[in-house]
Amino acid sequence: DGGITQSPKYLFRKEGQNVTLSCEQNLNHDAMYWYRQDPGQGLRLIYYSQIVNDFQKGDIAEGYSVSREKKESFPLTVTSAQKNPTAFYLCASSIKTGDNYGYTFGSGTRLTVV
Amino acid sequence: SQQGEEDPQALSIQEGENATMNCSYKTSINNLQWYRQNSGRGLVHLILIRSNEREKHSGRLRVTLDTSKKSSSLLITASRAADTASYFCATDGKTSYDKVIFGPGTSLSVIP
Repeated sequence: DGGITQSPKYLFRKEGQNVTLSCEQNLNHDAMYWYRQDPGQGLRLIYYSQIVNDFQKGDIAEGYSVSREKKESFPLTVTSAQKNPTAFYLCASSIKTGDNYGYTFGSGTRLTVV
Repeated sequence: SQQGEEDPQALSIQEGENATMNCSYKTSINNLQWYRQNSGRGLVHLILIRSNEREKHSGRLRVTLDTSKKSSSLLITASRAADTASYFCATDGKTSYDKVIFGPGTSLSVIP
């Protein structure tokens, strides 16, 4: 079955550490997105990518970095510069940006700073 | 901001009753989407309604869109305990880059 796989499901980060969240899709979608969700809140866009080797900042990109070397993969690195990284991170994809078919989401990674 | 805002923030109903959630937004849109999120999971796309549509159905779901009032509603008929989840509306904008913005969601509890 086609879909999006996020790993790990749970991740613990020590102060000052960089961590990388994995997102892989086999839907042949061009566009991929990373969102952050805090308790009781909606989703906020961190980064998005419309095509391989290209990505754009979203609303809260500071302290995060991404790469898009392959169409299927869009890893997110939470750097030590992100002062409050504890949150639920969701990866999504769509056929292309601005399409009318909705997003497909992964099951999320819960990141906790210890 | 074009962010959608769902109303109410939380809703508790008995199984079999209908659940209605509303979404208001601020700027013109191309389309509006509704998503469901079970606790600790990713979002699932439920339905998309375009700006030139007024009503859309999918199974027990009915979505309406009133562009003059910049609002949408999601009706779940004959609710079931399995419908317990958070529901989000998401809007895009009529710009060249259609960034999708999610509202804070409505938390629905269906009591068996």
